[in-house]
Amino acid sequence: ETGVTQTPRHLVMGMTNKKSLKCEQHLGHNAMYWYKQSAKKPLELMFVYNFKEQTENNSVPSRFSPECPNSSHLFLHLHTLQPEDSALYLCASSQDSTSGSTDTQYFGPGTRLTVL
Amino acid sequence: KNQVEQSPQSLIILEGKNCTLQCNYTVSPFSNLRWYKQDTGRGPVSLTIMTFSENTKSNGRYTATLDADTKQSSLHITASQLSDSASYICVVSKAAGNKLTFGGGTRVLVKP
Repeated sequence: ETGVTQTPRHLVMGMTNKKSLKCEQHLGHNAMYWYKQSAKKPLELMFVYNFKEQTENNSVPSRFSPECPNSSHLFLHLHTLQPEDSALYLCASSQDSTSGSTDTQYFGPGTRLTVL
Repeated sequence: KNQVEQSPQSLIILEGKNCTLQCNYTVSPFSNLRWYKQDTGRGPVSLTIMTFSENTKSNGRYTATLDADTKQSSLHITASQLSDSASYICVVSKAAGNKLTFGGGTRVLVKP
């Protein structure tokens, strides 16, 4: 295991539902990331948090709302999603997103989201 | 535009054989290149990372090469095993800001 856990592992929701994805890292890292992985497409960075502060929002629609209460936990709140939002959502962490470009990101197992 | 292109998109090899995956990039200014392995239903796991001055790096049966002049990298898998069946993702980091650009991955299937 990489030290990054995600729950739930699978989620099916309707377009009017509200749900949240949770990520927790046990590595003592200060940076956390949300990625979206759609079928046959490269990973897309969504959000970056460094020391609990959001440092990057990669033009993500407002129906995705991140929350980082502390350096170990990261949430992604979902509401009024569309079927095209169905994808694997990956969380990652690293020591510090600004400390140096060799900073390795450790990924969680992902949450497989299906929007009906 | 910063891009990372991988080839082939997929390949099938017999257990015990070798294979080489390719990665071409246009990311600039370049900082480092990583190869990740992603098993089905799992998150990516880092295999190697190479900076500008490194030409080759090994991790067990995985050997990555980097030619920063031609902006090409390869990942060579030696004596493939069934557990090597996975997607292999090339990731290039841009200097200043540590922004990562991901390739689309090569899906490898090792058959007995």
